[in-house]
Amino acid sequence: SYVLTQTPSVSVAPGQTARITCGGNNIGSKSVHWYRQKPGQAPVLVVYNDRDRPSGIPERFSGSNSGNTATLTISRAEAGDEADYYCQVWGSSSDHWVFGGGTMLSVL
Amino acid sequence: EVNLVESGGVVIQPGGSLRLSCAASGFTFDDYTMHWVRQPPGKGLEWVSLITWDGGSTIYSDSVQGRFTISRDNSKDSLYLQMDGLSTGDTAFYYCVKDSGRCTTGCTFDSWGQGTLVTVSS
Repeated sequence: SYVLTQTPSVSVAPGQTARITCGGNNIGSKSVHWYRQKPGQAPVLVVYNDRDRPSGIPERFSGSNSGNTATLTISRAEAGDEADYYCQVWGSSSDHWVFGGGTMLSVL
Repeated sequence: EVNLVESGGVVIQPGGSLRLSCAASGFTFDDYTMHWVRQPPGKGLEWVSLITWDGGSTIYSDSVQGRFTISRDNSKDSLYLQMDGLSTGDTAFYYCVKDSGRCTTGCTFDSWGQGTLVTVSS
């Protein structure tokens, strides 16, 4: 089965750049989507197809994907960016949709 | 604006059955594949099931295959999840999720409901 690996937690100072990674075997050959989930709320799509942003998501959110690692980059981090972030891919016809374990981002 | 509202979550004993509902609005419901995704309290996300725009195809995760049944009523803009043979491992928030298209593979989940909590406990 296809497995996505995320670092459980990442900390960044306000105004700095946060990088959240998602590891998977040859993940660069797949389309990666990223979701943000704030406490007590539903997930929200923030990046899709590796690097595209839905309407309403600030340009501070960007994505990249190559080799065995996909990365969500949050520039000029703000307190309001604190949340859990999940990566997702279509694994295969047997795995279907696979989520990473999530990364908790702290801005402090 | 897309709006997805789940209902039906309760506390239920192991072995019981439950039906979740999701009322959709703000988009043309029968143009989109729909999903259920679940999240045990304090844990990560797990995809559960999908149903195509016309209800003609359904797919399930291995963990619920044979116990859960997804369905939809396009005349009522509603999505359902029939859950049978519930176990404590099914305890989770269940989210109704809109696909970005008529996909059965590889598309993204562009809108989520607020979730309904199912607790399986004796």
